[in-house]
Amino acid sequence: DAEITQSPRHKITETGRQVTLACHQTWNHNNMFWYRQDLGHGLRLIHYSYGVQDTNKGEVSDGYSVSRSNTEDLPLTLESAASSQTSVYFCASSGQGARTEAFFGQGTRLTVV
Amino acid sequence: AQSVSQHNHHVILSEAASLELGCNYSYGGTVNLFWYVQYPGQHLQLLLKYFSGDPLVKGIKGFEAEFIKSKFSFNLRKPSVQWSDTAEYFCAVNAGFNKFYFGSGTKLNVKP
Repeated sequence: DAEITQSPRHKITETGRQVTLACHQTWNHNNMFWYRQDLGHGLRLIHYSYGVQDTNKGEVSDGYSVSRSNTEDLPLTLESAASSQTSVYFCASSGQGARTEAFFGQGTRLTVV
Repeated sequence: AQSVSQHNHHVILSEAASLELGCNYSYGGTVNLFWYVQYPGQHLQLLLKYFSGDPLVKGIKGFEAEFIKSKFSFNLRKPSVQWSDTAEYFCAVNAGFNKFYFGSGTKLNVKP
């Protein structure tokens, strides 16, 4: 079965360090998304990509970057981790067109100390 | 940008009670609407979706939702909840831009 895999599932890092969260999907979807989930805010869009070499900023993109070198992967990098980036991060993907649902990975719990 | 509002942040019900969770969105054009569920410690899973046609949509586990265009609403309902429905529920909108906007979520606690 197709799936989305995120790694690591849990990560503790120190303030100022660079951190990369991996996201790999086998749906062959063009669209991929990164969200962060925080209490009271639901899911907020960080970055998204509509295909290889395409990346776009979401509503909370400051301090994050992504790259899309192939269809399957959209790694999320925190350039210099801050305590405000402690959160649960979800990767998602969807097919072409608006009439498609998003499929989610299991999430990565990141703690910045 | 689109926005999605879920006004019930925390709902507590007893088993067999009826459930209705509100969802309102702000977008005047054609929208595609979703309800997702997140069980404790798990990822989001699709409960149901609306693209067009019959505004009453049935999903998994006995859930249904009604799209009322005039009210910009897509409320989730279940006639009789079970303890296993304890979870967080998210409403989402995709307004044709291939981006999904989520509400802030509603935590449902069902007492056995």
